[in-house]
Amino acid sequence: KNEVEQSPQNLTAQEGEFITINCSYSVGISALHWLQQHPGGGIVSLFMLSSGKKKHGRLIATINIQEKHSSLHITASHPRDSAVYICAVDKNYQLIWGAGTKLIIKP
Amino acid sequence: AAGVIQSPRHLIKEKRETATLKCYPIPRHDTVYWYQQGPGQDPQFLISFYEKMQSDKGSIPDRFSAQQFSDYHSELNMSSLELGDSALYFCASSSPLRDPKLFFGSGTQLSVL
Repeated sequence: KNEVEQSPQNLTAQEGEFITINCSYSVGISALHWLQQHPGGGIVSLFMLSSGKKKHGRLIATINIQEKHSSLHITASHPRDSAVYICAVDKNYQLIWGAGTKLIIKP
Repeated sequence: AAGVIQSPRHLIKEKRETATLKCYPIPRHDTVYWYQQGPGQDPQFLISFYEKMQSDKGSIPDRFSAQQFSDYHSELNMSSLELGDSALYFCASSSPLRDPKLFFGSGTQLSVL
């Protein structure tokens, strides 16, 4: 079993829909990262969480340490949000990556 | 603002050759991570450094070595290259004690022919 599980693997939605991507992990961590990777390969760090909730623009990330679960939400989704979203957990200076969620937002 | 700089952006090598990839972290970042992402695959953690010392090691082949220098830049040395080493190699930096948010370089695309 992978130490970091993401769902769904693929998600296609219409512009304006509310998007939720989930991440569960099975190891002790010091932090959890949500990352965005665009088709060209570039990776952008969206959030780093160790507890609670963070918001940046239309993006919201939450984490429940007890349940070892995190969610990334996108409100009022837009085609430019189309990318692969990756959950990665920080375990002793090692990042363990989830498989990613490929998100396509159709206009 | 300065970002993580990786060089070269693209590199083409032949089998059994050697390659050196460089990563220049954001100023005052003391931690560097290296990742390998094969075509259509998840990034795989290779190795990390904190304060010029290796802090953790992942799925890095014995043919690869890496180090972090006194100016905190890092180099990934790859020898006896194989076709399967063709991948995008990412470097990320952070300063765990000040701001653990990760910043990624644009990657080096290595093609082994």
